[in-house]
Amino acid sequence: QKEVEQNSGPLSVPEGAIASLNCTYSDRGSQSFFWYRQYSGKSPELIMSIYSNGDKEDGRFTAQLNKASQYVSLLIRDSQPSDSATYLCAVPELGGSYIPTFGRGTSLIVHP
Amino acid sequence: KAGVTQTPRYLIKTRGQQVTLSCSPISGHRSVSWYQQTPGQGLQFLFEYFSETQRNKGNFPGRFSGRQFSNSRSEMNVSTLELGDSALYLCASSLAGISTDTQYFGPGTRLTVL
Repeated sequence: QKEVEQNSGPLSVPEGAIASLNCTYSDRGSQSFFWYRQYSGKSPELIMSIYSNGDKEDGRFTAQLNKASQYVSLLIRDSQPSDSATYLCAVPELGGSYIPTFGRGTSLIVHP
Repeated sequence: KAGVTQTPRYLIKTRGQQVTLSCSPISGHRSVSWYQQTPGQGLQFLFEYFSETQRNKGNFPGRFSGRQFSNSRSEMNVSTLELGDSALYLCASSLAGISTDTQYFGPGTRLTVL
């Protein structure tokens, strides 16, 4: 079964801390991975994309990919209350078919 | 550059009716994808259109259909509406498609079926 799994949370962290969001996927052959942020009542917006094993950094965000273990994570450093949102992990290709599969999302709450 | 636009933003229909939703992609984007988002199922892929052709399709019944015009604008139609079709319908556009390209989402159409 083609799946993308995320812990629904909520994940609560204090302002200034590192928030760690995790995602596992079912197909070892998947090649590209995306993290989207969705504020309540709004549409998803892209945070990061990652295609190769290892880390990819963009400002306060770092995406980490481990294809052998089939997980991708998103680290948010110096978390701000404005980071409070639901974070969606997306895998465009699972099991050889291009049917983008999204995790259910992890709700992040950053408290002052 | 203008973002993805969707019309209407809100719709209320009754069971058995049909509905057509519209999506205008970012200028220059040739791929338009449609998604259904519900609290129970999350974000689910409906289909992707690229250059007026349906290129990929998710696991939804045939009541859900779409099309794309030569200017890349896309419409989605749902026939014989059911209560379970109540959802936020999102469209997303990209330059080359869903496999590796960044998708930009529109604000969505909130459909309520009574």
